[in-house]
Amino acid sequence: GAVVSQHPSWVICKSGTSVKIECRSLDFQATTMFWYRQFPKQSLMLMATSNEGSKATYEQGVEKDKFLINHASLTLSTLTVTSAHPEDSSFYICSAPYPGATNEKLFFGSGTQLSVL
Amino acid sequence: GESVGLHLPTLSVQEGDNSIINCAYSNSASDYFIWYKQESGKGPQFIIDIRSNMDKRQGQRVTVLLNKTVKHLSLQIAATQPGDSAVYFCAESSNDYKLSFGAGTTVTVRA
Repeated sequence: GAVVSQHPSWVICKSGTSVKIECRSLDFQATTMFWYRQFPKQSLMLMATSNEGSKATYEQGVEKDKFLINHASLTLSTLTVTSAHPEDSSFYICSAPYPGATNEKLFFGSGTQLSVL
Repeated sequence: GESVGLHLPTLSVQEGDNSIINCAYSNSASDYFIWYKQESGKGPQFIIDIRSNMDKRQGQRVTVLLNKTVKHLSLQIAATQPGDSAVYFCAESSNDYKLSFGAGTTVTVRA
C-alpha cells in the first residue's frame, strides 16, 4: 500500500522552543494532508487540514499561530509547534488521501511523540 | 466476548472467541465509516470500511455492521488472536477524507 512517512518518531524539547514535524507521501502526491493530535488514552482529534500551495484550515479551538502548517510541495507537509509548553506534549499523527483509491483511501503516518520538558 | 451497550472503553476476550466492538456515531450526514486498529506508539491501521448504502461488509476475519437508523456501527472479529490486542477506533466522514474519530475501545486478548 501507499506509504506516509512521518519524522521524527519522537522528540524531546525544552519549554519555549519550537519543534518541526514532517509528513511525507512517499509514492504518491497529496494536495491535502491532515494533522491529528492524540493525548494518552484518548482519541485522535483533527487539528487542521493542510492544503498544498494555500493556507491550512484549522479546526475550532486550534491556535493557528501556535501550530504552523506549511504544505510547500505535493509530497510534504510540516507542522511546527511554536514555543512549545508541557501541555503540548502529545502524539501527533498525519494522514494523506491516496488519489483514486477505491478501498483504503487514507494513509497515516506512524506518528510523532512530542515531550516538552 | 461482547461489549454491552453502545460503547465501552475496554473489552477482554478469550483467545479464539469472537469479539464485537460497538460504536455510536453522531453525524447523520456521515456516509463513510472506517474501523482502525492502533497499537501503542503507532499510527492507525485500516481494518475495514463501509459506505452508508450498505449495512454489512466482510473482510478477512472481520465484519462491519452499520445501522443508520440508530447511528450505530460495530466491528466483529472472528477467532480473536493475541495479535488483535490493540485499541480500536471507529471513524466517520461525510467526504471520505476528513475523519471524526470515536473514543476507542481497548481490546485485550486472554491466552
